Amino acid sequence: KAGVTQTPRYLIKTRGQQVTLSCSPISGHRSVSWYQQTPGQGLQFLFEYFSETQRNKGNFPGRFSGRQFSNSRSEMNVSTLELGDSALYLCASSSVPGREGAPLHFGNGTRLTVT
Amino acid sequence: AQTVTQSQPEMSVQEAETVTLSCTYDTSESDYYLFWYKQPPSRQMILVIRQEAYKQQNATENRFSVNFQKAAKSFSLKISDSQLGDAAMYFCAYVTSGSRLTFGEGTQLTVNP
Repeated sequence: KAGVTQTPRYLIKTRGQQVTLSCSPISGHRSVSWYQQTPGQGLQFLFEYFSETQRNKGNFPGRFSGRQFSNSRSEMNVSTLELGDSALYLCASSSVPGREGAPLHFGNGTRLTVT
Repeated sequence: AQTVTQSQPEMSVQEAETVTLSCTYDTSESDYYLFWYKQPPSRQMILVIRQEAYKQQNATENRFSVNFQKAAKSFSLKISDSQLGDAAMYFCAYVTSGSRLTFGEGTQLTVNP
């Protein structure tokens, strides 16, 4: 079974631009969540999608948004990029529905650098 | 607020020896799940072990085991017979429902040959 796939692996953008990151979950997994990882703030939850609906959202500004498609693939978008958005963005999928505490399976992440 | 604390930013161990990584958490919930994840230089977070709070028995997974003390809100990870491939950043994490994990700051484990 293929793992969680994130594209692209690396991205360099300029302040003020917007960016879209993609995540394909493990086949059969319907829950996708996103995390931001920085040296200063560590790992922080961005949002979670299940069956195309946002289930949960972390404490991030409205510039951070996401969506999930009918095939469970997910995208996250960051508009008006700031230098502080430079981070590793991790996507994870799980075999929910209904099974709380199901382990997350992570992708290799997208390294975003904002200059 | 739910918090997870890993008090050891760095740890080192000799190959074949045993090492214990510490984790404490704070929650008012009675039903929750705890995890240890490792993140090698490849950046991918890999599940090491999972513990359900309602289970008193400590989880084990081959060379990895936990010491779960619910009253003390402590969840330490023991790695036995350490191998070079165990070198990574280890994160303790907590969740009550869904996929909203709260992670600790991480412990960088070095395995010396």
